[in-house]
Amino acid sequence: EVQLVETGGGLVQPGRSLKLSCVASGFTFNNYWMSWTRQAPGKGLEWVASITNSGGSTYYPDSVKGRFTISRDNAQNTLYLQMNSLRSEDTATYYCTRDPWYFDYWGQGVMVTVSS
Amino acid sequence: DIQMTQSPSLLSASVGDRVTINCKASQNINKYLNWYQQKLGEAPKLLIYNTNNLQTGIPSRFSGSGSGTDYTLTISSLQPEDFGTYFCFQHNSWPLTFGSGTKLEIK
Repeated sequence: EVQLVETGGGLVQPGRSLKLSCVASGFTFNNYWMSWTRQAPGKGLEWVASITNSGGSTYYPDSVKGRFTISRDNAQNTLYLQMNSLRSEDTATYYCTRDPWYFDYWGQGVMVTVSS
Repeated sequence: DIQMTQSPSLLSASVGDRVTINCKASQNINKYLNWYQQKLGEAPKLLIYNTNNLQTGIPSRFSGSGSGTDYTLTISSLQPEDFGTYFCFQHNSWPLTFGSGTKLEIK
């Protein structure tokens, strides 16, 4: 059974940093591109970042480019999202998602609240 | 960036009804269009990928169609468990973008 389990969320002040983790199981992690997608409270979905299966290439929308960094450790089956210079508009539930062409599996989500 | 415009934003229908949800892209997305269902407090679930391919385990009452810039999700006979919010999503080009969602309420 495919499982994606995110951790690392919480309350953080504007301008500070936070790192999310996602542990994957039930599939061959290093065969798949992975992504982060977020959803602000009561709002729609926004793609945040994607990384190739090897970790050699990454992709971001302009809204987070230069502030967020996606990375992975294939030996540990773990995906990361380093979030720097956080803003109030980054407040959302962050989902770890498999395969950006399908988003066929999602984690349960982790809440990040950016507030003073 | 490709903008995805969904309509309607709110839909109220009865059990047994045929329901359609539309998604219009701001440019040709070559059928690289997926549909997701999200229930309150849960992660989204993939229903349809690449316009008309039913994800494993999804009931056959769900179907998708379209091409170019215009796409449709159809539920042939609405069931009570189909309530929730539906999102379209394009993966034709970066940045990947979602529609704003259609909230489906059961009358």
